[in-house]
Amino acid sequence: EIVMTQSPATLSVSPGERATLSCRASQSVSSNLAWYQQKPGQAPRLLIYGASTRATGIPARFSGSGSGTEFSLTISSLQSEDFAVYYCQQYNNWPWTFGQGTKVEIK
Amino acid sequence: EVQLVESGGGLVQPGGSRRLSCAASGFTFNTYNMNWVRQAPGKGLEWLSHISSSGNTIYYADSVKGRFTISRDNAKNSLYLQMNSLRDEDTAVYYCARGIPATHCGQGTLVTVSS
Repeated sequence: EIVMTQSPATLSVSPGERATLSCRASQSVSSNLAWYQQKPGQAPRLLIYGASTRATGIPARFSGSGSGTEFSLTISSLQSEDFAVYYCQQYNNWPWTFGQGTKVEIK
Repeated sequence: EVQLVESGGGLVQPGGSRRLSCAASGFTFNTYNMNWVRQAPGKGLEWLSHISSSGNTIYYADSVKGRFTISRDNAKNSLYLQMNSLRDEDTAVYYCARGIPATHCGQGTLVTVSS
């Protein structure tokens, strides 16, 4: 099983600032990497797939990069609605696996 | 508009069974792979099971293999998860998810396993 490790566990950021979240895979997942946002009491929402392609309706302030084992999600200027938990997920090899999540909180 | 509506959650005793359903609408159900993903209270996400559009390809996570069965009825635009031999650690919100990656998820149904 591929283990996905996200860092940091919690990121404290002020509105308008830039946030960068990291995700590392225990072995290569090529570009088969997705990012999801989850707010309390809500289902996860797909933000990025293919490591860098924004899903339908996702604002341009969200961007993804990386390939192989190292990935990042950048939120260029945090809005109030962006404070949430973010998960990376590999879908290169079954079982598809998630990272443990990064909570982005208001500083 | 894509809609996925889960049902069937509730309180079940350890060792018991439960069948979850997911009603899909707003898209051509029989052309999409479908999945079940769960989230234990206060924990992260776990991808449980996958079924191809035709139902010919099925995967299970080790944590549920041999106990859970995924199925679909394309004529009814519905996805199912039969859960047997339930354990305390199966307590979670269960989400139905379309595609890989999951472009859409339902709002989830809570299954609580407790005596």
